[in-house]
Amino acid sequence: EADIYQTPRYLVIGTGKKITLECSQTMGHDKMYWYQQDPGMELHLIHYSYGVNSTEKGDLSSESTVSRIRTEHFPLTLESARPSHTSQYLCASSEGRARVTLMPGQGKDTQYFGPGTRLTVL
Amino acid sequence: KNQVEQSPQSLIILEGKNCTLQCNYTVSPFSNLRWYKQDTGRGPVSLTIMTFSENTKSNGRYTATLDADTKQSSLHITASQLSDSASYICVVSDRGSTLGRLYFGRGTQLTVWP
Repeated sequence: EADIYQTPRYLVIGTGKKITLECSQTMGHDKMYWYQQDPGMELHLIHYSYGVNSTEKGDLSSESTVSRIRTEHFPLTLESARPSHTSQYLCASSEGRARVTLMPGQGKDTQYFGPGTRLTVL
Repeated sequence: KNQVEQSPQSLIILEGKNCTLQCNYTVSPFSNLRWYKQDTGRGPVSLTIMTFSENTKSNGRYTATLDADTKQSSLHITASQLSDSASYICVVSDRGSTLGRLYFGRGTQLTVWP
């Protein structure tokens, strides 16, 4: 099983609050990603990082921001949450000095996903 | 426009039965195609990965096929189990960028009944 963690798993907050979604991986992966997924819909890439001090915006425009100060940590921040931000946020990582044993169905560039954070903004 | 379309949107089968899920894509240039399994409330987990030259790939009871000419893939599940209930997502990667951008389908929601 992949060693990538997200906290909190569930978050319900009021409009206007600042929140940070945490994502950490212990696999030594260089690349990390944030996806947004609504029920029954496809995943949309909102941020990614090639490594420390690298952050890029993804395909879907997002008001969130990210930082990559350490290889293993890729937090996502919303300065002022709104109901339109209600969604599931999935973090993933891939490549680099991977210490995981590849299982069937996995390649060297396979993205490993965390369990996700279900965010509800009231 | 690069797209990944999956069918059916949802499927209900009885335990022990087989099923086949479909994926059509228009992603170009093509790099690889993966099938992921996503349990409710969890992140996706990779089941199979196929490159342009591979026609079929198996992982236990899961067998994926790829026809790169028609840009179609299928995932066949044999002797289904209750634990197979999940969303199965087809993901296509292009090789037109350093990132190897992934294009996700919306998934097929499979429910296995006892």
